[in-house]
Amino acid sequence: DTGVSQDPRHKITKRGQNVTFRCDPISEHNRLYWYRQTLGQGPEFLTYFQNEAQLEKSRLLSDRFSAERPKGSFSTLEIQRTEQGDSAMYLCASSSSDRVLSGELFFGEGSRLTVL
Amino acid sequence: DAKTTQPNSMESNEEEPVHLPCNHSTISGTDYIHWYRQLPSQGPEYVIHGLTSNVNNRMASLAIAEDRKSSTLILHRATLRDAAVYYCILRGILTGGGNKLTFGTGTQLKVEL
Repeated sequence: DTGVSQDPRHKITKRGQNVTFRCDPISEHNRLYWYRQTLGQGPEFLTYFQNEAQLEKSRLLSDRFSAERPKGSFSTLEIQRTEQGDSAMYLCASSSSDRVLSGELFFGEGSRLTVL
Repeated sequence: DAKTTQPNSMESNEEEPVHLPCNHSTISGTDYIHWYRQLPSQGPEYVIHGLTSNVNNRMASLAIAEDRKSSTLILHRATLRDAAVYYCILRGILTGGGNKLTFGTGTQLKVEL
């Protein structure tokens, strides 16, 4: 499978714990995005990388959230001191800057976080 | 990015055509119209996009009004597998954020036998 993969698919944690999600984009894609989606809402943009550079961060990305893409390939999204309001689906997407006009993003299946 | 307005939900019968409307009265000349859909428990997937002219691909057709203030996604023969949330999104080619897309709440399409 050469699509976007995310791990873990499901995570249940207690409030106050730290969690980390991993995203492996499509190999030739240099852009990577993180989104968050709560029930009944569309995905909300969190941040995006071009290669290893984090070029944009949403105001939704509080100080407890940090994302990295150290070698311009896979990315991690860490949430520190989780709160119940962090419960959501975290979606990763990738794209190629060569397809800037089409703007097609390829999404993974997401990592569902439940904070108890 | 300019805002879009879509009905919250629509229903269709299997094997019938479905027309999903989207209003975007504040669209600018450099905004592309994108459609994505999200099946249950999956990430969104690209459906189609266009700028001014109508577009066809294997999944759907996109009809864009002459004034570009509205568009319609057309599924020619709905199947049960087309039951999903459909998002109409405008993306400005001149804005930053790479290929970032701003999603609304979309239209929940229900397909019945």
